[in-house]
Amino acid sequence: DIQMTQSPSSLSASVGDRVTITCRASQSISSYLNWYQQKPGKAPKLLIYAASSLQSGVPSRFSGSGSGTDFTLTISSLQPEDFATYYCQQSYSTPPGFGQGTKLEIK
Amino acid sequence: EVQLLESGGGLVQPGGSLRLSCAASGFTFSSYAMSWVRQAPGKGLEWVSAISGSGGSTYYADSVKGRFTISRDNSKNTLYLQMNSLRAEDTAVYYCAKDGIVLVVYAWYNYFDYWGQGTLVTVSS
Repeated sequence: DIQMTQSPSSLSASVGDRVTITCRASQSISSYLNWYQQKPGKAPKLLIYAASSLQSGVPSRFSGSGSGTDFTLTISSLQPEDFATYYCQQSYSTPPGFGQGTKLEIK
Repeated sequence: EVQLLESGGGLVQPGGSLRLSCAASGFTFSSYAMSWVRQAPGKGLEWVSAISGSGGSTYYADSVKGRFTISRDNSKNTLYLQMNSLRAEDTAVYYCAKDGIVLVVYAWYNYFDYWGQGTLVTVSS
């Protein structure tokens, strides 16, 4: 199975900050990488698919990059509604594993 | 509008069984693979099982293989997860998710584009 590792596990930031979350795969997954946002008590929401494609309706302050084993999710200017937990997920092979999550908190 | 509505969760004793359902609407159900993803209390997301649009192909995480069975009824637009021999470590919120697929520069990419609200399964004596 492909292991997905996110860093950091938690992050404190302020409104307006630029934030980057990293996801690393245990082997090359080309661009088969998705990002989700989850707020407490809610289902995850798809933000980015195929490493860098923005899901319809997602604000353009979210962006994704990377290929192979190293990927990043960037939020260009944090908004109050962005404080949540973020997960990466590989869709290269079964099982489609998730990273352990990065909790983004208000500083 | 795509909607996924899970039901069937609850409290069950270790070794017991439970069947989850996920009623889908707003899209051509039979055209899409579907998955179950779970989240233990305070923990991350874990993919559990998937089924093709026709129901002819099924996939399972090693942690549930031989105990859980995924199925679907395309005439009823409903996805199921039969869970047997339940263990304490199966305690989680179970989400059904629609598998999206898109062609990007000659390659097909999959993702979970719609999720239900989740149903809580608690395995405890």
